[in-house]
Amino acid sequence: AQSVTQLGSHVSVSEGALVLLRCNYSSSVPPYLFWYVQYPNQGLQLLLKYTTGATLVKGINGFEAEFKKSETSFHLTKPSAHMSDAAEYFCAVSDAAGNKLTFGGGTRVLVKP
Amino acid sequence: KAGVTQTPRYLIKTRGQQVTLSCSPISGHRSVSWYQQTPGQGLQFLFEYFSETQRNKGNFPGRFSGRQFSNSRSEMNVSTLELGDSALYLCASSLGLAGDGETQYFGPGTRLLVL
Repeated sequence: AQSVTQLGSHVSVSEGALVLLRCNYSSSVPPYLFWYVQYPNQGLQLLLKYTTGATLVKGINGFEAEFKKSETSFHLTKPSAHMSDAAEYFCAVSDAAGNKLTFGGGTRVLVKP
Repeated sequence: KAGVTQTPRYLIKTRGQQVTLSCSPISGHRSVSWYQQTPGQGLQFLFEYFSETQRNKGNFPGRFSGRQFSNSRSEMNVSTLELGDSALYLCASSLGLAGDGETQYFGPGTRLLVL
């Protein structure tokens, strides 16, 4: 069965510092991997996705993620945090076996001025 | 293109009542999925509909049901509400199935409070 683990339910970064959010997945078949962001009282917005091909995926708002099959990871990074990045971030996986989108527990990002 | 819309946005019910939530997908999308989001359990998959057929179902009791209409609009129903059903219910639409790696686009959610 597919599953997702996000390390750290809360992350605090200074404005201008690197943002690194960790995601590890479990899937019995090739996975499709996603990062979503959720702002307060809103739905989820897609940041980026990996299906096949290039393992470094660039998304919106300066975020990128790298698919590492050997480590079963899909960590999200942004070189320089902005105050507007304060939100909750969800990693998710789907595959042909599970036939659904499974989310990690989420990581809430706080950006300090 | 208009995004995913959900109605109502907020709802207050009492235990034992039933509720119906509505979701209108992005035009051209044939798949609609529903999720329950709570602080304790996070985002949990309820079910996915494609071309009016339920394709997958999460681990929820039979009180939770759904359907999809020929225009791809979807409704979910919760009967005999319990306090623990208080949550944000999110609907997502996509061109195809989640198992095929299709991107799901989320609506703003319906916040349900059960008293």
